[in-house]
Formats: sequence, structure tokens, C-alpha cells
Amino acid sequence: EVQLVESGGGLVKPGGSLRLSCAASGFTFSSYSMNWVRQAPGKGLEWVSSISSSSSYIYYADSVKGRFTISRDNAKNSLYLQMNSLRAEDTAVYYCARGRQYYHFLFDPWGQGTLVTVSS
Amino acid sequence: EIVMTQSPATLSVSPGERATLSCRASQSVSSNLAWYQQKPGQAPRLLIYGASTRATGIPARFSGSGSGTEFTLTISSLQSEDFAVYYCQQYNNWPPSTFGQGTKLEIK
Repeated sequence: EVQLVESGGGLVKPGGSLRLSCAASGFTFSSYSMNWVRQAPGKGLEWVSSISSSSSYIYYADSVKGRFTISRDNAKNSLYLQMNSLRAEDTAVYYCARGRQYYHFLFDPWGQGTLVTVSS
Repeated sequence: EIVMTQSPATLSVSPGERATLSCRASQSVSSNLAWYQQKPGQAPRLLIYGASTRATGIPARFSGSGSGTEFTLTISSLQSEDFAVYYCQQYNNWPPSTFGQGTKLEIK
């Protein structure tokens, strides 16, 4: 069974940093692109960042470019999101999601999410 | 950036009836359109991709249609477990890949 389990969320002050992790199992992690998608409380879905299977291609939403860094460790079947200079508007549930083969921005499945709260 | 617009924002339908949800793209996305279902407190789940192909395990009462800029998700006979929020997403032009704002399907 394909599983994605996020961790690392929590409460952080504005300007602070946080590192999210996503542990993958049940599939050949190194063969798939991976993504982060977030959802602010009571709001819709916003794509955040994507990384190709070999880390050759990395993309960010304009809203996080220069502050967030996506990475992966294929040996550990893990995806990461380093978030720096956090703002109140970054408060959201952050989901990791696998990209489909050939359609890297088609997300299936999703993890259960981890909540990041940016507040003083 | 392609803007995805869903309508209506909220749809009230009785169990057993048909529900029709709409999604419009600000420019053509070909058939690279997906629909996701999200229940309260849960992660989104892929329902439809390629505008009309059901994902694995999705019941036949869910169907998608459209291409270019106009898309529809139809649920033929609503079951209690279908009441949720539905999002469309284009994955044709990226980055960014963009989502609609969602349609909440509620019990009438």
C-alpha cells in the first residue's frame, strides 16, 4: 500500500524556520516526482513546490520562492521542505503528494498533512 | 498563470439525486484536468484525471467531461459519503499547477 506520512509541523514565530518531512513507503520512491501542496485554514488548495525523481528539476510557487527549499533523499525514501522566513500567511496544513508518472503535477496519493502555524 | 473557476461555490442536493459541478479554465488546458474530493479533516483524493478517466477504486457514479476550458464533474446518484468539497486542478501549464476554489456539495 502506498503511504505518505508528513511530520515536522508546529507553532513557529514570524521570521522563524521549520523543516517538514514526508516518509514514503509502498512504492519505488526514486521513480516518482514529489510535491508539497498547502491549505490555509478554511481555504482551498495551493501548490507549493515540486521536485523531480532525481532532483534535477525543482519548481516553486512565487509565494514561497527564495524562502522555501524542497529536497529529497531517495536512499531514505524521504521528501523535505525547509521553510525559512516564515510569515503568518504560510499558516496551513502542508500535504506531500506523489506525482503521477508522465504527469508530474497530477497528485496521487496525498499524505494526511502536517499543520504549520506561524504566530507570535 | 491559469486561473481555474468553479461553480457553484455551494451545491445543495438530496441523496439519490444527480449533482453537476462546473470548472472553467482561463485558457485551454486540453484534457489535463483533474478532480479531487476532500472530506472534513482528510486529505484530498484523486477522483478523475484526463478530464474523464476515473482513478483506481472510484465508483462509476462519478464521471467527468469536457476539454479546453469547460469541464464538468457529474455524480449520478448521490450517496451520503459523497457530500464533501470538490476541487478541479489543471496540470497542463506549469508551474504553477492551479486549483479551483472548490465546490462544497451539501445535503439538501
